[in-house]
Amino acid sequence: GAGVSQSPSNKVTEKGKDVELRCDPISGHTALYWYRQSLGQGLEFLIYFQGNSAPDKSGLPSDRFSAERTGGSVSTLTIQRTQQEDSAVYLCASSFQPQGITDTQYFGPGTRLTVL
Amino acid sequence: DQQVKQNSPSLSVQEGRISILNCDYTNSMFDYFLWYKKYPAEGPTFLISISSIKDKNEDGRFTVFLNKSAKHLSLHIVPSQPGDSAVYFCAASGHNNDMRFGAGTRLTVKP
Repeated sequence: GAGVSQSPSNKVTEKGKDVELRCDPISGHTALYWYRQSLGQGLEFLIYFQGNSAPDKSGLPSDRFSAERTGGSVSTLTIQRTQQEDSAVYLCASSFQPQGITDTQYFGPGTRLTVL
Repeated sequence: DQQVKQNSPSLSVQEGRISILNCDYTNSMFDYFLWYKKYPAEGPTFLISISSIKDKNEDGRFTVFLNKSAKHLSLHIVPSQPGDSAVYFCAASGHNNDMRFGAGTRLTVKP
């Protein structure tokens, strides 16, 4: 498939455990974004990767959240010591942004995280 | 801080009529605006966009209007169809390319 893929689709974990969420962007897309959607809320920006530049981490809610993008492709969002308020759908999006020009983002199906 | 606001959580219209979804923003640095449509259990899909140098962009049944002085944009769908029933997110982006989304408006089009 040519779209953005995310895994796992669902993750249930216990409070205090660490989780890793994976995103495979569309091949050739230089920009990758992570968002989360909590129940009844809009999409909350978390982090943005553009090419080889340092990521924009301004949206990360706490230092328990981190993300990396290896080789300019696959990205992993890690949440350490999960809390119940971390429960949300985590969405990844990618776009083709030569020279950083804003372009349409294509979203993956999301990972639904439930922290018990 | 909510820089993009969609004040109507839901909207219901009759098939064939016009749907108008509204969005307000506070950051004057935003220069690119988009609408996304989201079905349950799926990621948002891009619908239509507008640059701040324009005040209207039309694509088939969908038209987006931008009023920069009021920091307001709207999405018009005409005629509305039952398949348009979804959650619609307004989004805005500035020079740093990170995108801010509204809380979404759930549109229901009744047959």
